Amino acid sequence: GAGVSQSPSNKVTEKGKDVELRCDPISGHTALYWYRQSLGQGLEFLIYFQGNSAPDKSGLPSDRFSAERTGGSVSTLTIQRTQQEDSAVYLCASSSPTGGNTEAFFGQGTRLTVV
Amino acid sequence: AQKITQTQPGMFVQEKEAVTLDCTYDTSDPSYGLFWYKQPSSGEMIFLIYQGSYDQQNATEGRYSLNFQKARKSANLVISASQLGDSAMYFCAMRDFTDKLIFGTGTRLQVFP
Repeated sequence: GAGVSQSPSNKVTEKGKDVELRCDPISGHTALYWYRQSLGQGLEFLIYFQGNSAPDKSGLPSDRFSAERTGGSVSTLTIQRTQQEDSAVYLCASSSPTGGNTEAFFGQGTRLTVV
Repeated sequence: AQKITQTQPGMFVQEKEAVTLDCTYDTSDPSYGLFWYKQPSSGEMIFLIYQGSYDQQNATEGRYSLNFQKARKSANLVISASQLGDSAMYFCAMRDFTDKLIFGTGTRLQVFP
């Protein structure tokens, strides 16, 4: 596609349920990033992928969070047993291979509300 | 470990004036890239400008320029001739040689007539 696509755009879930957030990066982009942004706050780094590998998972807030990427393309962020503090906008970004001024392109985000 | 610091939670500037948004960073890697993004109230992330650690000259893109002081580890964004449409959150970011990309906490800029 022309840009980074995230689905769903909005998700309301009950506390304790599992949710899956999807990110479809720009074709050919090897790096893929997940961030969490609470209302009016900065971008909290969660995890990033180089191809299908995740060199740095240090930002995942707890073991309820996991992410995978298959075929060097689509990535899924899974949150198990959701809590109210998980409510936020989850942003995905992708960029082309390292080599210079390759900025990351962002999706529109998934707004997660846990009730 | 990498770190990005933006110490100005909010800034005000009058239309047509210039404004500087501060950003300092910390890394032990010699190779890194510095970015600025704009996030309007719509929530989209808009790339503004890039500076590489080996670039000799400060980056410029239209009304945006990056005041890169490598020894001080600062990468301040200068917006000249501010416009009402510049009102937004601004984020400084750094990518290291492993491609990890982290962001600062942001500065909310408000431009008034």
